[in-house]
Amino acid sequence: ELKVEQNPLFLSMQEGKNYTIYCNYSTTSDRLYWYRQDPGKSLESLFVLLSNGAVKQEGRLMASLDTKARLSTLHITAAVHDLSATYFCAVLFGNEKLTFGTGTRLTIIP
Amino acid sequence: AAGVIQSPRHLIKEKRETATLKCYPIPRHDTVYWYQQGPGQDPQFLISFYEKMQSDKGSIPDRFSAQQFSDYHSELNMSSLELGDSALYFCAGSMGAGEQYFGPGTRLTVT
Repeated sequence: ELKVEQNPLFLSMQEGKNYTIYCNYSTTSDRLYWYRQDPGKSLESLFVLLSNGAVKQEGRLMASLDTKARLSTLHITAAVHDLSATYFCAVLFGNEKLTFGTGTRLTIIP
Repeated sequence: AAGVIQSPRHLIKEKRETATLKCYPIPRHDTVYWYQQGPGQDPQFLISFYEKMQSDKGSIPDRFSAQQFSDYHSELNMSSLELGDSALYFCAGSMGAGEQYFGPGTRLTVT
């Protein structure tokens, strides 16, 4: 059974600081996604990572994938309040269903 | 650009009632997935369809059923509703095994 774990589950950080969210998964997968979710809202796709060593950046967010270690990271640079949300990684496995991580609730404090 | 449409957006039902949720994927997307997200939880895969055939099944209760129609829209039918069924229900569409595009969700409240 595929397991996807994220840490930390909760993250409170000051504006301007850097931090990293980690996503570990238990079985070889073809694709890994990062999503953002605001309270009560849908899932917004941030990144799709397809291969070992893949790195993608958008604004203050950067995601990377190490398929050998089965680890993905989402790095936040110089955080701003607008980044406050819950972030999920999700792994594509088997018949294209997504298995989501536990989520990281990020709060940026002014 | 057209997005995934879900209806209704909000639904309040009483215990033991039935509910039907609808999902209209982006045009030409032939695969539909349903996910359930409980309060404070991560989304859990329920069921998926490709070309009107069930392609995978997850943790979907026997009280729930779903189908995909010839125009690729999908309906999730829920019977004998329980308090624990209260959740956000997302559908996502894709072209084959491509990237999944999520709808806005239906918030179901069972009282």
